[in-house]
Amino acid sequence: AAGVIQSPRHLIKEKRETATLKCYPIPRHDTVYWYQQGPGQDPQFLISFYEKMQSDKGSIPDRFSAQQFSDYHSELNMSSLELGDSALYFCASSCRPGLVFRDTQYFGPGTRLTVL
Amino acid sequence: AQTVTQSQPEMSVQEAETVTLSCTYDTSENNYYLFWYKQPPSRQMILVIRQEAYKQQNATENRFSVNFQKAAKSFSLKISDSQLGDTAMYFCAFRRMYSGYALNFGKGTSLLVTP
Repeated sequence: AAGVIQSPRHLIKEKRETATLKCYPIPRHDTVYWYQQGPGQDPQFLISFYEKMQSDKGSIPDRFSAQQFSDYHSELNMSSLELGDSALYFCASSCRPGLVFRDTQYFGPGTRLTVL
Repeated sequence: AQTVTQSQPEMSVQEAETVTLSCTYDTSENNYYLFWYKQPPSRQMILVIRQEAYKQQNATENRFSVNFQKAAKSFSLKISDSQLGDTAMYFCAFRRMYSGYALNFGKGTSLLVTP
């Protein structure tokens, strides 16, 4: 079965640079979530989109922005990168929230961002 | 805010044995979802099992089962016939049912299965 695709898988940036992470959800999934997992930490929710509209916002820094496009893929844009942004960034997708048995979040393999 | 607590940072079990991972949570809501996710060394997040709070019957998936005690706000994961491939970090997660659909994770339990 098709899974969530994330690109790139690895990314190395310098401080103050920008980065763009991409997420392609499972076909027919219309909801995308972004999570950040620091070393030795549990995943922390950043932001989510349903039908191309922001649906929920977590602990996303103002330096980060995201959007969901007409084909339901999503991009997380990160500017003025800091050392503390080094983490594994997960994208998860699901069907429309609230539908029983259809709204489990399935995770992509993650993008490992290293800021030097 | 919902709090998810996993009180066992690390656990170890021998192959073919049974192990139980603990999870408690705090919420004022009546309907919600609970999940266990597995994160092996590859760092992929893999869904193990889910439970709807309105269901009294405990969920099972092959060798994995849960003991859901709603009144006690407890959601433990039992792994039977442990296999070496079960070695991973296990995260318990809470999700509201009607709004704010983000997963709220516990700190995780690192499980090591030994030969």
